[in-house]
Amino acid sequence: QKEVEQNSGPLSVPEGAIASLNCTYSDRVSQSFFWYRQYSGKSPELIMSIYSNGDKEDGRFTAQLNKASQYVSLLIRDSQPSDSATYLCAVKPGANSKLTFGKGITLSVRP
Amino acid sequence: AAGVIQSPRHLIKEKRETATLKCYPISRHDTVYWYQQGPGQDPQFLISFYEKMQSDKGSIPDRFSAQQFSDYHSELNMSSLELGDSALYFCASTESGRDYEQYFGPGTRLTVT
Repeated sequence: QKEVEQNSGPLSVPEGAIASLNCTYSDRVSQSFFWYRQYSGKSPELIMSIYSNGDKEDGRFTAQLNKASQYVSLLIRDSQPSDSATYLCAVKPGANSKLTFGKGITLSVRP
Repeated sequence: AAGVIQSPRHLIKEKRETATLKCYPISRHDTVYWYQQGPGQDPQFLISFYEKMQSDKGSIPDRFSAQQFSDYHSELNMSSLELGDSALYFCASTESGRDYEQYFGPGTRLTVT
């Protein structure tokens, strides 16, 4: 079992809809959780970080963390075609630790 | 502020040749991570450095070595290149003890023929 699992994709939503991306992790000592957006052939771009249980909102993005259930999710409101990309969930156990990534989920926003 | 800089952006090498990839972290960032991403794969951690010392090691082949210099830039040296080494190589940097967020450079696309 991969340490970080992302639900199977690809995910396709119409423009203006809410896209919901989910991620589960197996290491209970994980402290930090991140969502990266990656366009094809480009580098991962950090879009959200979350460290404590609950919701964290930044513009159209909301990250949700539930450490007891070991899941983290990303909601994208008012999805735009420019949001079409691969979204990588990443976790790390400590401050100076490597990132462990999920396989990513490809989001397609239909105009 | 300037982001992470990587050079070269593209590199074509033949089998058994050597390659050197360079990474210049964001100003004040003292920790550097190297990741390898094959086609359709997620980034895989190779190695990291904190204050010029190796801090963690992942699935890095023995043919690869890396170091961090006094100005915090890092170099990844790859020898006896194989076709399977063709991938995107990313460097990420962070400021230890703050934010825990890693910021990625644009990557080096290595093609081994």
